[in-house]
Amino acid sequence: GAVVSQHPSRVICKSGTSVKIECRSLDFQATTMFWYRQFPKQSLMLMATSNEGSKATYEQGVEKDKFLINHASLTLSTLTVTSAHPEDSSFYICSAQLAATYNEQFFGPGTRLTVL
Amino acid sequence: GEDVEQSLFLSVREGDSSVINCTYTDSSSTYLYWYKQEPGAGLQLLTYIFSNMDMKQDQRLTVLLNKKDKHLSLRIADTQTGDSAIYFCAEGDKIIFGKGTRLHILP
Repeated sequence: GAVVSQHPSRVICKSGTSVKIECRSLDFQATTMFWYRQFPKQSLMLMATSNEGSKATYEQGVEKDKFLINHASLTLSTLTVTSAHPEDSSFYICSAQLAATYNEQFFGPGTRLTVL
Repeated sequence: GEDVEQSLFLSVREGDSSVINCTYTDSSSTYLYWYKQEPGAGLQLLTYIFSNMDMKQDQRLTVLLNKKDKHLSLRIADTQTGDSAIYFCAEGDKIIFGKGTRLHILP
C-alpha cells in the first residue's frame, strides 16, 4: 500500500521556538493532505486540509498564524508550529489522500511534540 | 455540523464476537470508514463502506450501515488478542473521526 512518512518522529523544544514537521507521500502523489492532532487517549482532531499549490483550509478554532501549513509539492506538506507553548504538546498526524474510488487516506506514523 | 459518536470501551472474551457501534450526523457522506489504532502506532484503515450499501463483509469483519438511523457498526468475529486496539469510526470526505472505542480482550 501507499506509504506516508513524517519527520521527525519525536521533537522536544523550548517554549517560544518554532518546530517544523514534514509529511511525505513516498510512492504516490497526493493532491490533498490532512493534518490532525491527537491528545492522549482522545480522538484525532482535524486541524487543516492542505491542497498542493494553494492555501490550506483550517478548521474552526485552529489558529492559522500559529500552525503554518505549506504544501509546495505533490509529495510534501509541512506543518510549522510557531512560538510553541506547552499546551501545543501533542501527537501530530498527517495523512495523504488518494483520489481513488473511496478517497482512502494513508496516515503517517505521527510526530510527538513536547514543548518544555 | 458533522459529529460522530461511539462508545469509549468494549470488553470481549477471546473467541467471541465484538460489535462496535457508531452514529453519525452527515447524511451526505459518500463513504464511512473504520480505522484501527494499535498501541503506539498510527491509524490503519480497516474497512470502508459505500453509503448505498447495507452490509460489507471482509473475512472476520462485517460492517452494517443503517442510513435511516445513521448508524454504523463493525463486527469482528472470533476476536483475538491481536484485535486489542482503538477502533475509530469516521465519515465524510474530510474524515471526521469519532472518539474511538477501546477494545479490550478478556482471556
